[in-house]
Amino acid sequence: DAMVIQNPRYQVTQFGKPVTLSCSQTLNHNVMYWYQQKSSQAPKLLFHYYDKDFNNEADTPDNFQSRRPNTSFCFLDIRSPGLGDAAMYLCATSNWAPINPLEQYFGPGTRLTVT
Amino acid sequence: AQKITQTQPGMFVQEKEAVTLDCTYDTSDQSYGLFWYKQPSSGEMIFLIYQGSYDEQNATEGRYSLNFQKARKSANLVISASQLGDSARYFCAMRATGGFKTIFGAGTRLFVKA
Repeated sequence: DAMVIQNPRYQVTQFGKPVTLSCSQTLNHNVMYWYQQKSSQAPKLLFHYYDKDFNNEADTPDNFQSRRPNTSFCFLDIRSPGLGDAAMYLCATSNWAPINPLEQYFGPGTRLTVT
Repeated sequence: AQKITQTQPGMFVQEKEAVTLDCTYDTSDQSYGLFWYKQPSSGEMIFLIYQGSYDEQNATEGRYSLNFQKARKSANLVISASQLGDSARYFCAMRATGGFKTIFGAGTRLFVKA
């Protein structure tokens, strides 16, 4: 089945220790997104890639970076995690179409704990 | 600016009954899409249903239907014959045609009682 895969599902890191979350897709979608979701809140878009074009949201902290080495993979790097970065991180994909906005497909998420 | 409002933080429904989850939106875009997603406690966001702003008919997908009232800027989700597995948080969302950013509402937590 075509899908969006996120690894690991649970990640524990220490305060200030860099961490990388990964996302892969078999849908061949041209857009990949990273969202941060804190408990009982709406997902907050951090950035997205449209093919190789990277688009950062204005309020995304510099501490968060992303890489997309190819169509299938996208990584979220947190350079110096703080306690406030503990959250669920959701990866999503979609195809961009000029006529109709197409639905996003989400991975299962990575729950990040910062100790 | 775009905004999604979901005024029901939590709702209860009896198993096998229908339930309506409210969603209103605000946008200056002429063309846009409206989405509903389900998020179980496991965390994954599951796409349920889509309505385009120029679609004249309300969208339906199995037990899900979207009550779209464009003039009132509302896009309520109706779940018929509720099941215990419908217990989850439901998000209404919107994206402009040609855009990349999806705006989500705060969500409604639905509890289905046996």
